[in-house]
Amino acid sequence: EIVLTQSPATLSLSPGERATLSCRASQSVSDDLAWYQKKPGQAPRLVIYEASNRATGIPARFSGSGSGTDFTLTISSLEPEDFAVYYCQQRGNWPPELTFGGGTKVEI
Amino acid sequence: QVHLQESGPGLVKPSETLSLTCSVSGVSITSYYWSWVRQSPGKGLEWLGFIYYTGSTNYNPSLKSRVTMTVDTAKNQFSLKLISVTAADTAVYFCARDRGILGMDYWGQGLLVTVSS
Repeated sequence: EIVLTQSPATLSLSPGERATLSCRASQSVSDDLAWYQKKPGQAPRLVIYEASNRATGIPARFSGSGSGTDFTLTISSLEPEDFAVYYCQQRGNWPPELTFGGGTKVEI
Repeated sequence: QVHLQESGPGLVKPSETLSLTCSVSGVSITSYYWSWVRQSPGKGLEWLGFIYYTGSTNYNPSLKSRVTMTVDTAKNQFSLKLISVTAADTAVYFCARDRGILGMDYWGQGLLVTVSS
């Protein structure tokens, strides 16, 4: 099983600041990595897929980078609605076995 | 507009079977994979498995012995069964459209299932 480790667990920032979230895989996942935003009481929202592609409707302040085992989600300038928990997710080789990281909480 | 909606009992007794259905509208279920994900209170996201419209499935190894997923193309819905539930299965259960490497892009609103006598 591929384990995803996210850091930091909590990121305390102010609106307008830059957020940098890390996700490390226990073995290479190539570029098969997605990021999701999760707010209390809401369904997860796809933010990034294939490591660096923004999902439909996601603002340009969100960007993803990395490949292999090390990945980063960057929010260039935090808006109030961006404060949430972010999860990375990979699906491994065939047959796919999806795993999520433990999450990073971006808080004010 | 793609829409997913989970349905099923919100309370299940220990040792019994949890059964949920995800109704899909706005897109044919025959076009994609469909996943179930859950989130236990205060915990992170856990993938349970996915199903293709052909009935082909793949499950989380940690739950494989207890999970069954089925699809009903005529009703455009898919279902989850989890047997022998315990309090550890208390969670919000989500269904999602799974586009593989393109991610899970549409989700249901989630359904809280509590396991308690």
